[in-house]
Amino acid sequence: GGIITQTPKFLIGQEGQKLTLKCQQNFNHDTMYWYRQDSGKGLRLIYYSITENDLQKGDLSEGYDASREKKSSFSLTVTSAQKNEMAVFLCASSPGQGFQAPLFGEGTRLSVL
Amino acid sequence: GQQVQQSPASLVLQEGENAELQCNFSTSLNSMQWFYQRPGGSLVSLFYNPSGTKQSGRLTSTTVIKERRSSLHISSSQTTDSGTYLCAMAHYGGSGNKLIFGTGTLLSVKP
Repeated sequence: GGIITQTPKFLIGQEGQKLTLKCQQNFNHDTMYWYRQDSGKGLRLIYYSITENDLQKGDLSEGYDASREKKSSFSLTVTSAQKNEMAVFLCASSPGQGFQAPLFGEGTRLSVL
Repeated sequence: GQQVQQSPASLVLQEGENAELQCNFSTSLNSMQWFYQRPGGSLVSLFYNPSGTKQSGRLTSTTVIKERRSSLHISSSQTTDSGTYLCAMAHYGGSGNKLIFGTGTLLSVKP
């Protein structure tokens, strides 16, 4: 069976630091997503990508970069971590044709000291 | 403003009680989805429900597109139902499919 793997599971950073989160999927899905989850705010879309080397901005793209170097992987960079920031970053993927529910990874939990 | 409103924000039940979770959309949508997130875990799709009523075990989802609302009914709740329930509306477009999430309902079922 397929799986979505997010690394690292936990990430502790310093204020101002550049941090990179990685996501791999072996479903051969075309579309991949990065969401941020804050307590009480649900999930907000940061970036998504409909194919290799494609990038589409979500509602929360400011302060982030993303990269889709190959179909199976989608990375997210926090360009400058904010002090006391705490959030969960969720990666998801879905097939490109029609609409099917995206499948989610287990998340990366970020804490900034 | 927030395009997807969920209510209640949190809910505490005694085991065996029923629950009704609501989701309202401020814009037109292509479809909608309900997810469950166990504490500290990833999201699992419960229902893809563009319209009408769907049932799976003790869970029933009803979507009324014209009224821009959807509900999730949990009957005879169990402690293992505890977690966060999220609804999301789907946009299909030339630049891909997107899900826009509500803020979730945190459910706690006490024994």
